[in-house]
Amino acid sequence: DGGITQSPKYLFRKEGQNVTLSCEQNLNHDAMYWYRQDPGQGLRLIYYSQIVNDFQKGDIAEGYSVSREKKESFPLTVTSAQKNPTAFYLCASSMNPTSNNEKLFFGSGTQLSVL
Amino acid sequence: RKEVEQDPGPFNVPEGATVAFNCTYSNSASQSFFWYRQDCRKEPKLLMSVYSSGNEDGRFTAQLNRASQYISLLIRDSKLSDSATYLCVVTLGTGGFKTIFGAGTRLFVKA
Repeated sequence: DGGITQSPKYLFRKEGQNVTLSCEQNLNHDAMYWYRQDPGQGLRLIYYSQIVNDFQKGDIAEGYSVSREKKESFPLTVTSAQKNPTAFYLCASSMNPTSNNEKLFFGSGTQLSVL
Repeated sequence: RKEVEQDPGPFNVPEGATVAFNCTYSNSASQSFFWYRQDCRKEPKLLMSVYSSGNEDGRFTAQLNRASQYISLLIRDSKLSDSATYLCVVTLGTGGFKTIFGAGTRLFVKA
């Protein structure tokens, strides 16, 4: 089945620790995205990538890093610089980053909590 | 002012009721409009696109009023399974990174 796979489903971070969230897609989509969702707020864009080996900061990139070495994979690292990391993290992909009617396909999310 | 505003609810309705959600957007250059459904601690899933002419998909009807910068979603004959959060989503231009999400409206349908 084609889709987006995020892992793990739940993740706990200790003080000062970096953690990495995995996102893999087999939809052959060019673009991938990372969003953060907090209670009562809309999804906020952390980073996005429109093509392999290239990525751009979103609205709330501070304290996060990404890589896009393969088309299928777009891992997100939450660094110790992110002081309020507890949130629900969603990875998404879309087929054509130059379209103005772009539908997003989401992974099932990772809930990150601080110990 | 938020770029996409929705009434957070919750809306509590009995089965069989008709319920309407509203959404306003601030950027008049917005190009595409969608409703997504999100269950608790799950990913958002596309419910339907929204067109100026209005569109219907079974019990769901979406309307767009560009002059008023207003989007609506009407659910007829509500089912228990319709209980979820409904996200109003707007794109500002080319590329998925220009997608703006509302905070969502929570719906509870009760037996």
